[in-house]
Parts: sequence; structure tokens; C-alpha cells
Amino acid sequence: KNQVEQSPQSLIILEGKNCTLQCNYTVSPFSNLRWYKQDTGRGPVSLTIMTFSENTKSNGRYTATLDADTKQSSLHITASQLSDSASYICVVSAVPNDYKLSFGAGTTVTVRA
Amino acid sequence: DTAVSQTPKYLVTQMGNDKSIKCEQNLGHDTMYWYKQDSKKFLKIMFSYNNKELIINETVPNRFSPKSPDKAHLNLHINSLELGDSAVYFCASSQAGGWYEQYFGPGTRLTVT
Repeated sequence: KNQVEQSPQSLIILEGKNCTLQCNYTVSPFSNLRWYKQDTGRGPVSLTIMTFSENTKSNGRYTATLDADTKQSSLHITASQLSDSASYICVVSAVPNDYKLSFGAGTTVTVRA
Repeated sequence: DTAVSQTPKYLVTQMGNDKSIKCEQNLGHDTMYWYKQDSKKFLKIMFSYNNKELIINETVPNRFSPKSPDKAHLNLHINSLELGDSAVYFCASSQAGGWYEQYFGPGTRLTVT
């Protein structure tokens, strides 16, 4: 069983609308959680990185939240744009200086005009 | 300037052949990685080097051999290619492990026929 589970697997939204992606993890002891955006045919690009002491972090129209007690995170996209169409991947690191990241399968977001 | 570059971008080859993928980063990072992304989009770490020293070697067939001639380069050589090796391979780098952000290359799509 994967240690990082994401939902939904995919979603379609209309341009200008908001959406929220979910991430549940079992990785322990927790170090940090990241959200990556991966456009089709390209490498992942980091959106946010949060440690256990942070419960929210924003990057433009992207806002990530973290509840380290329940081991849940969400990524909220505000006023979606066509360029937001991509796969969003939740990634968790177990301990500081741990080079191994645990990746979720990603949520594929399609924004339609 | 490209931060993490990989060559080639596409690689089509026959079973049994030997091939190499090259990766270079110009960010001055100490740590480099190879990831494999399968058809289900899961990213899995294969290897990690820190200052030219191998620090992560996941359960990868020994047909895969990474080589780091210097801190800026991490190449991946694959012997006796098999159909199951078909995937997208991503190189990444970070200033160090754990907390530090990883920067990914554009990926190399390997197709074994």
C-alpha cells in the first residue's frame, strides 16, 4: 500500500472556478510535505513545501494546507486558468535529511473554457 | 538557461540493447537523483548521489548502473534492455537531501520494442 494517497484521481473544472485536491499520508516520522505540478511531457515543478509546524502556505493562486495530526493535506486552486491543467502530485519526506521522497499517484486536473 | 537537462528526450530501442541517459545540472547542487515514472504516473526513486557518492540505491535491477563523473553530472546506463524498462526517466537535483527542493529535468521517454 502506497504511503501517500491522493484524491480524486482526476477532475474537470470550468475556467475561473475553484477546486481542492486531497492528500492523505502514513509516512512517519514526518518531515515535510510538498505539492508538485507536472505538465504533460515535462518534469514536476515544486509549488509548496511545508513542515509539520506550518498549516498553510500559498504560492499565487495555489494554497496548500497541512494537518500533521490527521496526516492530511489539501491543495486549493483559486480562479482556475487553462494553464492549471496538469497533474498535481503530493510528496512526503519522512525525516530531515532523508533523500527519499514518497510520491502520490497525482490528481489530473483539466480546466475547460 | 536550463537548470537540469537530460539527453536524449526520446529513446527508442530494441530489447537486449544497452543505452545511456545523460543528466547535467548547472545549479551547483550537491545531490542528484534518478527517478522512474511508469505508465500509472507513479514516480519512484532509483538512485541518489551526494557529492559523487551513492547514497540511495533502491531495489533496481543491476542492469541499471548510475555513474557520477562529477557533482554536476549523473548518467544512467542500462544494460540488456527489457520491455518493462519502458518508462519516463527523470533526473533531479537538490542543494542537499530531505528539506531541500528538488529540481527535475524534462524527462527521457524510453521505449523498448
